[in-house]
Amino acid sequence: AQSVTQLDSHVSVSEGTPVLLRCNYSSSYSPSLFWYVQHPNKGLQLLLKYTSAATLVKGINGFEAEFKKSETSFHLTKPSAHMSDAAEYFCVVRGATGTASKLTFGTGTRLQVTL
Amino acid sequence: NAGVTQTPKFQVLKTGQSMTLQCAQDMNHEYMSWYRQDPGMGLRLIHYSVGAGITDQGEVPNGYNVSRSTTEDFPLRLLSAAPSQTSVYFCASSNRGSSGNTIYFGEGSWLTVV
Repeated sequence: AQSVTQLDSHVSVSEGTPVLLRCNYSSSYSPSLFWYVQHPNKGLQLLLKYTSAATLVKGINGFEAEFKKSETSFHLTKPSAHMSDAAEYFCVVRGATGTASKLTFGTGTRLQVTL
Repeated sequence: NAGVTQTPKFQVLKTGQSMTLQCAQDMNHEYMSWYRQDPGMGLRLIHYSVGAGITDQGEVPNGYNVSRSTTEDFPLRLLSAAPSQTSVYFCASSNRGSSGNTIYFGEGSWLTVV
């Protein structure tokens, strides 16, 4: 079984300050982990993914995430927030090859960016 | 390169009506799946398929039916719509093999049942 917990339902930052969106996972095997972003009334866009290679993963738009097995975490960070980053962010874990068609989503973190 | 195409984008149904949400992909992906998105709950898996002729239930399958007669298409049928099925629906596809394969999502279908 697999699960994902996004620790904050809402995060508010000022433009130009760092962003931290927290995600913990539970999985009985080596997981693949993803972060997706969803802007209002839009579809899902892949930010980055971890697939058991480098533990520090760089994604689009300056985002990165670090896989920490000992802490079962996959937190998303960005050094400097931009107004366009305001959106909802989902942490996602994917099953092993035999169940790789199944994704388990966190409940989402809404990022607000203020001037 | 169309990717994953969902239709319709918006739909209003009356309680008890039936309808089909269409999903098509042009990437020859084996895996396809349907999710629904509700406020504060993330996306939840309704049904999925690992290849033509093979489907299985996800977390919230009740009230929905699927079939996979071709690799390209994976329609989702609402048998008798209920207000609880008001949601945003996403179709996804990916290659089989590594669980790290990129998953592609459609643009979503906004469904309201009145």
